[in-house]
Amino acid sequence: GQQLNQSPQSMFIQEGEDVSMNCTSSSIFNTWLWYKQEPGEGPVLLIALYKAGELTSNGRLTAQFGITRKDSFLNISASIPSDVGIYFCAGQAGGSSNTGKLIFGQGTTLQVKP
Amino acid sequence: DGGITQSPKYLFRKEGQNVTLSCEQNLNHDAMYWYRQDPGQGLRLIYYSQIVNDFQKGDIAEGYSVSREKKESFPLTVTSAQKNPTAFYLCASSMKYRKTTNEKLFFGSGTQLSVL
Repeated sequence: GQQLNQSPQSMFIQEGEDVSMNCTSSSIFNTWLWYKQEPGEGPVLLIALYKAGELTSNGRLTAQFGITRKDSFLNISASIPSDVGIYFCAGQAGGSSNTGKLIFGQGTTLQVKP
Repeated sequence: DGGITQSPKYLFRKEGQNVTLSCEQNLNHDAMYWYRQDPGQGLRLIYYSQIVNDFQKGDIAEGYSVSREKKESFPLTVTSAQKNPTAFYLCASSMKYRKTTNEKLFFGSGTQLSVL
């Protein structure tokens, strides 16, 4: 089945540093979503992307829909302790591969040292 | 406030027992979903429902069953046939089923199921 490769698997950074993570797919996607999950809670939607090349910001978070439509990136600037959590990418295949199902990456665990 | 409510937060299952996880939404969403989350893995789709009285199997439906008798409710039963049920279960909803629209998925706060 379709898979998403999300990297890095985990990050341990100093407060104030910038963070970058990405997801890649073997097939073309027409939607990319980025979620954050805090311990013991459900994922919360951060950013949704619908067009190749689209760049969208939400506060200190910026995400981009890759031009090839096979990848997406999430950047967090000037990290703070409350950024701690697991960040998931999720994508939906396009064209004839579209089943309506979202495919999730394995997640990037972010830890921030004050 | 509108949202998705999952209960209980923690659930323990004895061997051979069926257990039911509750999911209720007051967002007036048509579509509802159940995902399973294991440590270090992405979310895997168990079942989904596009509309009342209709549901389809996801990628890992074996050992699970669902019903959709009301728009607001989509309970998941973990049956004794599911041999490895320990996981974090997440319910989600979207306004419409995603195949025809780019609807955003909203999640509940999850139920942690463990085996005694």
